[in-house]
Amino acid sequence: GQQLNQSPQSMFIQEGEDVSMNCTSSSIFNTWLWYKQDPGEGPVLLIALYKAGELTSNGRLTAQFGITRKDSFLNISASIPSDVGIYFCAGQGAQKLVFGQGTRLTINP
Amino acid sequence: DAGVTQSPTHLIKTRGQQVTLRCSPISGHKSVSWYQQVLGQGPQFIFQYYEKEERGRGNFPDRFSARQFPNYSSELNVNALLLGDSALYLCASSLWAGTGGPTYEQYFGPGTRLTVT
Repeated sequence: GQQLNQSPQSMFIQEGEDVSMNCTSSSIFNTWLWYKQDPGEGPVLLIALYKAGELTSNGRLTAQFGITRKDSFLNISASIPSDVGIYFCAGQGAQKLVFGQGTRLTINP
Repeated sequence: DAGVTQSPTHLIKTRGQQVTLRCSPISGHKSVSWYQQVLGQGPQFIFQYYEKEERGRGNFPDRFSARQFPNYSSELNVNALLLGDSALYLCASSLWAGTGGPTYEQYFGPGTRLTVT
């Protein structure tokens, strides 16, 4: 099935470092969403973006909707142990979500 | 407020059997979508339902079917199970503004882990 290109696939960082991940698509989306998924759980919505060029923050998380509507990035500042998990980008069009492959974040204390 | 709930949590079935998974949306949400998540991958869209009607369908065989009830809860059915159907099945609910209207973010339940042996 269709998927977005999400990178990097995995990250190993030290606690306190900043994190950056991005997502690209060959298709245009009207909405971009970022989710976090812990083992054995469903994805939890972190940030939703609705306008091209929009920059939105949620605590230590900041995400941007690319101006071409074909990409988005997520930044996490000053990482903490509970940030560990898998982060998914998703493009929403016609009520259907298309997901990236995920970025697995591991934090060394 | 209760989030999206799904049952059962885990399920083990044998090849060829049939399975029914259940989902209750967030109160006030009238749209329910189903996704399949194979280990190590992002979720893949299966169906979306609104007002008991199918509004979208992903690239899945006819062995997969779903329905939505008047209280907006939903069931996903899979017939003639294959080993490859082993996955986490996720239900998501959202508001609905109608075809052509604004889209709303989807909120996921904890999923049902299906293992086919």
